[in-house]
Amino acid sequence: EVQLLESGGDLVQPGGSLRLSCAASGFTFNNYAMSWVRQAPGKGLEWVSAISGGGDSTYYADSVKGRFTISRDNSKNTLYLQMNSLRAEDTAVYYCAQGQITMPHWGQGTLVTVSS
Amino acid sequence: DIQMTQSPSSLSASVGDRVTITCRASQSISSYLNWYQQKPGKAPKLLIYAASSLQSGVPSRFSGSGSGTDFTLTISSLQPEDFATYYCQQSYSTPPHFGPGTKVDIK
Repeated sequence: EVQLLESGGDLVQPGGSLRLSCAASGFTFNNYAMSWVRQAPGKGLEWVSAISGGGDSTYYADSVKGRFTISRDNSKNTLYLQMNSLRAEDTAVYYCAQGQITMPHWGQGTLVTVSS
Repeated sequence: DIQMTQSPSSLSASVGDRVTITCRASQSISSYLNWYQQKPGKAPKLLIYAASSLQSGVPSRFSGSGSGTDFTLTISSLQPEDFATYYCQQSYSTPPHFGPGTKVDIK
């Protein structure tokens, strides 16, 4: 059974940094691209970033480009999202998902709140 | 970027009703279209991929159709567990934008 477990969400001040993690199990992690998708309170889904299975290709939404960095450690079956220069509009539940575009499996999400 | 729109934004229906949700892409995406279901406080769930292929484990009352720019999600007989928000997503190119969602609630 595929399992994705996010962690690292927290309350952070504007301009601050945070690193999210997503621990994967139940599938051969390095065979799959992975993504982060976020959902602001009461709003729809917004694709944030994706990374290839080997980690050599990365993709970002314009809204986070230059501030967020996606990475993975295939030896630890873990996906990361380093978030810098956080803004109030980054407040959301962040989901990790298996896949780069079509996402058949999702984690339960971790809440990031950016507020002073 | 390819933008997605959905209609209606919300609808009220009764158990047993046939429900249809429409999604439109800003340019042709062939059949590269997914549908997700999301219940409050839960992660999205993939229902349909490639416009009309049912994801494993999804009930057959869900179906998808369309190609090019216009797509439809149909629930043939609405069940209590189907009250949720539905999102389309283009899978043609990165960024794989989602539609704004359609909330289906109880009449």
